[in-house]
Amino acid sequence: DGGITQSPKYLFRKEGQNVTLSCEQNLNHDAMYWYRQDPGQGLRLIYYSQIVNDFQKGDIAEGYSVSREKKESFPLTVTSAQKNPTAFYLCASSPYLAGAELDTQYFGPGTRLTVL
Amino acid sequence: SQQGEEDPQALSIQEGENATMNCSYKTSINNLQWYRQNSGRGLVHLILIRSNEREKHSGRLRVTLDTSKKSSSLLITASRAADTASYFCAMLRRGSTLGRLYFGRGTQLTVWP
Repeated sequence: DGGITQSPKYLFRKEGQNVTLSCEQNLNHDAMYWYRQDPGQGLRLIYYSQIVNDFQKGDIAEGYSVSREKKESFPLTVTSAQKNPTAFYLCASSPYLAGAELDTQYFGPGTRLTVL
Repeated sequence: SQQGEEDPQALSIQEGENATMNCSYKTSINNLQWYRQNSGRGLVHLILIRSNEREKHSGRLRVTLDTSKKSSSLLITASRAADTASYFCAMLRRGSTLGRLYFGRGTQLTVWP
């Protein structure tokens, strides 16, 4: 899981509540990503950020929000607008230089969110 | 959207046997990567092969890439029970200015002792 931490490991939410998932990295990577994984499925990109104070929507951004105020931190908020938030959430980071290819991504251990 | 499809979806073998997983994709790529995920954990990068490479080795892993067929294969030789995990291919699409990876749905490998 490298130098990326996610907390909490398990999170329970009541319907109608917003929750924030933490992701911190000490790898000095510029780019950070949030993915959602459903049982038996691959990873779907929610949001990504290439640099501080900038982020872009992925394929399934509706009902989610992010911020990137610091290089090492990329928290994800799951809002009440997300209709089916129960899933496994993975944060990743990678080194990034403008105009250069990204190589590999380094993943955190994940947060399992359950809506009660 | 998912741009890769792994085959088979599930594979069950005995220790010592070889395991082969395949990945097909739709668009042109800059590189293709394989990741491993143990149950309930994050993904771990295994190996990367660039579009101008045809084969790459790393320990017991061998990856091939056929860009004309838009397919890749991951071979794990002399498998061990500890190799039990899900394996995902991920593509860096050609022309992607943002470096996004597109993941397949994965192959669940079970190695019986």
